[in-house]
Amino acid sequence: QKEVEQDPGPLSVPEGAIVSLNCTYSNSAFQYFMWYRQYSRKGPELLMYTYSSGNKEDGRFTAQVDKSSKYISLFIRDSQPSDSATYLCAMSAWPGGGATNKLIFGTGTLLAVQP
Amino acid sequence: EAQVTQNPRYLITVTGKKLTVTCSQNMNHEYMSWYRQDPGLGLRQIYYSMNVEVTDKGDVPEGYKVSRKEKRNFPLILESPSPNQTSLYFCASRTGGDTQYFGPGTRLTVL
Repeated sequence: QKEVEQDPGPLSVPEGAIVSLNCTYSNSAFQYFMWYRQYSRKGPELLMYTYSSGNKEDGRFTAQVDKSSKYISLFIRDSQPSDSATYLCAMSAWPGGGATNKLIFGTGTLLAVQP
Repeated sequence: EAQVTQNPRYLITVTGKKLTVTCSQNMNHEYMSWYRQDPGLGLRQIYYSMNVEVTDKGDVPEGYKVSRKEKRNFPLILESPSPNQTSLYFCASRTGGDTQYFGPGTRLTVL
């Protein structure tokens, strides 16, 4: 069983829709949760970073963590064609990956926002 | 501009021909890592480095070597590449803080 599970999609939505992306995990030691966005032929870039349970909002993006259910979500409001990318969840027991600098990634969800 | 650079971006090679993928960061970061990204498997860490001359294995180190002689550079060496090392490779770096910055990726094909 993978430590982190993520629906690979693809997910296609019309412009303006609310998008929900999700990951589940099995390791209860994870405390730090990230969402990366990866455009085609580019490296991942950090989108959201949260610690422990709760919500964090940044513009059109909201990250939610439910540690009791081992479930994290990313919501995108008023989605735009420029949001079309692969979204990767990542997590770690230590900030930034700690001494081993290792993040555990989901496999990514491919999102297409249609104009 | 703060960035992580990798070279080459694309490489096609043959089995057994030694190759090096370079990684350089201009942010004075202590931590650096190499990941490979494969369909259905996500990003997996190959090697990491905590600082100059300090490196250690990640989850999938077989067939790879690294070195960290300077703080800014962290090359990935494949001494005898095999087809199962065909993948998309990413270098990443960070300070003691939270954010890992990724390079643009190197797509390697081993025939």
